[in-house]
Amino acid sequence: DSGVTQTPKHLITATGQRVTLRCSPRSGDLSVYWYQQSLDQGLQFLIQYYNGEERAKGNILERFSAQQFPDLHSELNLSSLELGDSALYFCASSPTGTSEAFFGQGTRLTVV
Amino acid sequence: GQNIDQPTEMTATEGAIVQINCTYQTSGFNGLFWYQQHAGEAPTFLSYNVLDGLEEKGRFSSFLSRSKGYSYLLLKELQMKDSASYLCAVRNDNAGNMLTFGGGTRLMVKP
Repeated sequence: DSGVTQTPKHLITATGQRVTLRCSPRSGDLSVYWYQQSLDQGLQFLIQYYNGEERAKGNILERFSAQQFPDLHSELNLSSLELGDSALYFCASSPTGTSEAFFGQGTRLTVV
Repeated sequence: GQNIDQPTEMTATEGAIVQINCTYQTSGFNGLFWYQQHAGEAPTFLSYNVLDGLEEKGRFSSFLSRSKGYSYLLLKELQMKDSASYLCAVRNDNAGNMLTFGGGTRLMVKP
C-alpha cells in the first residue's frame, strides 16, 4: 500500500457525461500528479500540483481540469466524455517535487 | 520537449540476468526513475539516479550516464514474478519538475 488513495476504483459512464476522480496523497506529501494510461499504453502526464498551485501541465485536454485543495487532496474533472477517454487514471504524490512519486491504485474509467 | 525511448518487449529466462535500456533527450534533467508495473496495477518505485554511476538495491541495479542520456535497469536472478512492465521516467526541472514516462518495456520471464 503506497498510502495514496484514489476513489472510485471503477467508474462506468456514458458519452457526454462529466465525472470527478478524487485523490488523497500520502500524509505530508505536497505534490500531486495525474496520469492517464490507455490500454497497453504508457503513462501520459496530465498535470501536477504543488501545495495547492499548478506546477506543470502536460497534454491535458481542455475538457479536463484539476485542482488541489487546502487539505492537499486533489480532484480531476473530466467533462464531455468520449469513448477514447476510457483509461486508467493514476494519481501520484511526493513530499516535494524532486523526490520519487508514489502511485495510487488508479481509477478505471469506462465510457460507453 | 522530452523524448524517452525503451524497447517495447523483452524475454528472459528464470534465474538469468536482463538489462533494460533507456535513452532520453531532455533539457533541465533532474533525475531518472525506474518503476515496475504489473498489468492493471499501480507503478511501484524501484530506483532513482541523479548522478552518474550505478545504484544497487538487492537484485535490481540502475545505471546512469548523463552525458550520453542513457540509463539501464539490471535485474539479476530473475524470478517469474518479475514479469511486468518496467517504466523509465525523467524529471525535468525546466517544467516544474514534471515527471515524464517512457512507453515501458514489457518483460516476460520464462521457466
